[in-house]
Amino acid sequence: QVQLVQSGAEVRKPGASVRVSCQASGYTFTSYSINWLRQAPGQRPEWMGWINTANGNTKYSQTFQDRVTFSRDTSATTAYMDLRRLKSEDTAVYYCARTILLSFGDLGDYFDYWGQGTLVTVSS
Amino acid sequence: DIQMTQSPSTLSASEGDRVTITCRASQSISDRLAWYQQKPGKAPKLLIYKSSSLEYGVSSRFSGSGSGTEFTLTISSLQADDFATYYCQQYNSYSTFGQGTKVDIK
Repeated sequence: QVQLVQSGAEVRKPGASVRVSCQASGYTFTSYSINWLRQAPGQRPEWMGWINTANGNTKYSQTFQDRVTFSRDTSATTAYMDLRRLKSEDTAVYYCARTILLSFGDLGDYFDYWGQGTLVTVSS
Repeated sequence: DIQMTQSPSTLSASEGDRVTITCRASQSISDRLAWYQQKPGKAPKLLIYKSSSLEYGVSSRFSGSGSGTEFTLTISSLQADDFATYYCQQYNSYSTFGQGTKVDIK
């Protein structure tokens, strides 16, 4: 069955960086894009962007464009999200979620499978 | 950015009730709308995509309709397992979510 398994909770100080991983199984990794979203406490999910796992192309939300990098390791069927210059407002649960392969433009897609979420806490 | 607005924000209902949640887009999104259910501490779960297509394995109690800027999610007969928060998501231009509708016990 399709599974997306994320790395564990992280605590960081303001100004630091964090990496969250998302290991996929149960399907052909390079046939779907991995999207990253986050959800602050009591808030709606917020889309951060996607990575095309087949060719490595990325699309970032303007909100995060200068602070985030997505990457993937196809041999490990794992996607990564790096977020830099952390602020207290970045405290949230970060999710990876699967969509069809997205290649260009501004079209998105619905998220059929989600990881379990990774809590990132930013506190001094 | 396309803004998504759900109503109501909170809905109190009893088991067996018919429940309707509305989602409005700030501009036309055709039928590129999905609905999710989220329970505390869990990831959102896809219920409906393309406005009215039921995700595989999801109960037929759930149905969706609409196109353009106005959409609805209907639960035909509320069950105990349905008390949760529901989100709409547009994917016509990147992706944005509504603010959520919490369905709680009356």
